[in-house]
Amino acid sequence: GQQLNQSPQSMFIQEGEDVSMNCTSSSIFNTWLWYKQDPGEGPVLLIALYKAGELTSNGRLTAQFGITRKDSFLNISASIPSDVGIYFCAGQPSNAGGTSYGKLTFGQGTILTVHP
Amino acid sequence: DGGITQSPKYLFRKEGQNVTLSCEQNLNHDAMYWYRQDPGQGLRLIYYSQIVNDFQKGDIAEGYSVSREKKESFPLTVTSAQKNPTAFYLCASSWFAEFNYGYTFGSGTRLTVV
Repeated sequence: GQQLNQSPQSMFIQEGEDVSMNCTSSSIFNTWLWYKQDPGEGPVLLIALYKAGELTSNGRLTAQFGITRKDSFLNISASIPSDVGIYFCAGQPSNAGGTSYGKLTFGQGTILTVHP
Repeated sequence: DGGITQSPKYLFRKEGQNVTLSCEQNLNHDAMYWYRQDPGQGLRLIYYSQIVNDFQKGDIAEGYSVSREKKESFPLTVTSAQKNPTAFYLCASSWFAEFNYGYTFGSGTRLTVV
């Protein structure tokens, strides 16, 4: 199936540092979504992006829909201990059809550890 | 408040037994999904249903079964044929026509088979 390459796979940072992670695809995407999963819980939607070039913020989080429509970036500024978790990108390829329609494709996740 | 509920949060079963995980949503969503997550890993799609009385296999359906008799409910049965059932199971739901607004996930069920 469709693959999303998410990097880095894991990050170990100090509290207060900024964080950047990204997702890339070989296909054009119509939608990019970013989720955060706290330990032992289900993922929660952080930011949704719908247009190429779109830049959206949610508090200390900023995400961008790449101009090529094949990538997306998530930045976290001034990290705090509660930022710990797994961050997933997800999206819908523009060429999805048939049984693929309605299904999001997920990246493998970036595991973020924040040291106080 | 609307949401999606998975129960139980923790489940222990003996090897060789079938077990059913519950997933209920009151969001009036059309579509529902089951994912499996292993430690430090991403989400792998087991089954999904876009409409009542219809469901499709995902990437790792072997050893699992589902039913969708009601719009609100999408239970997952882990059968004895599943060779490595210990994992974290996540249920999600969405609008079928507006799935690009994202899925709403439940809080998960951690299944341990001993």
